[in-house]
Amino acid sequence: SDDVTQPPSLSVSPGQEAIITCSGENLGTKFVSWYQQKPGQSPVLLIYQNDKRPSGTSERISGSNSGNTASLTISGTQAMDEADYYCLAWDTSTHVVFGGGTRLTVL
Amino acid sequence: QVQLVQSGAEVKKPGASVKVSCQASGYTFSTFAINWVRQAPGQGLEWMGRISGYNGHTKYAQKFQGRVTLTTDTPTSTAYMELWGLSSDDTAIYYCARELRDYGDFDYWGQGTLVTVSS
Repeated sequence: SDDVTQPPSLSVSPGQEAIITCSGENLGTKFVSWYQQKPGQSPVLLIYQNDKRPSGTSERISGSNSGNTASLTISGTQAMDEADYYCLAWDTSTHVVFGGGTRLTVL
Repeated sequence: QVQLVQSGAEVKKPGASVKVSCQASGYTFSTFAINWVRQAPGQGLEWMGRISGYNGHTKYAQKFQGRVTLTTDTPTSTAYMELWGLSSDDTAIYYCARELRDYGDFDYWGQGTLVTVSS
């Protein structure tokens, strides 16, 4: 299956670590990127090619991808991190599939 | 600075078609591909397809195959997305996005174009 699954929501307290997962068959063989989207705004690239940070992405944010699961980790979560997060899986056959998105709430 | 500026909101009737433009600036247009992504109200992101800025080669998501056409106009650094046979399910914000290294890494996005399909 080419489907990529994310938990619909995640709640963390300020200062805690938030780990958002993205699951799919053999996801570890694909390139995964992560996007943050705040209400009324266009998505923003946070992580590309599994674990690379573009300039402008906070060092608090990291990515990994292995087996059937990719993860986006936000350390020291802040109120400004409250947003929707989407993973994107890329391979040469299906090309691009987005996960359903995870709404991160910072309580 | 890199910018992708999209055309304005559209209201269309069911069965009609819509053509959305995305004008790029701040980089060499032919160096990068442009992807199109849409987002229905309150829903997630959905990839529609990509077009190479270099040679115009396209790849479409299976769902949209035969109903969407992506084109580019290199002299004006503009990409276009045309969607045919609109229904209310096509009501969404349509985004263009530059692909950094051809691995689904969309580093710059347009501001989005709202397309409303209503009778």
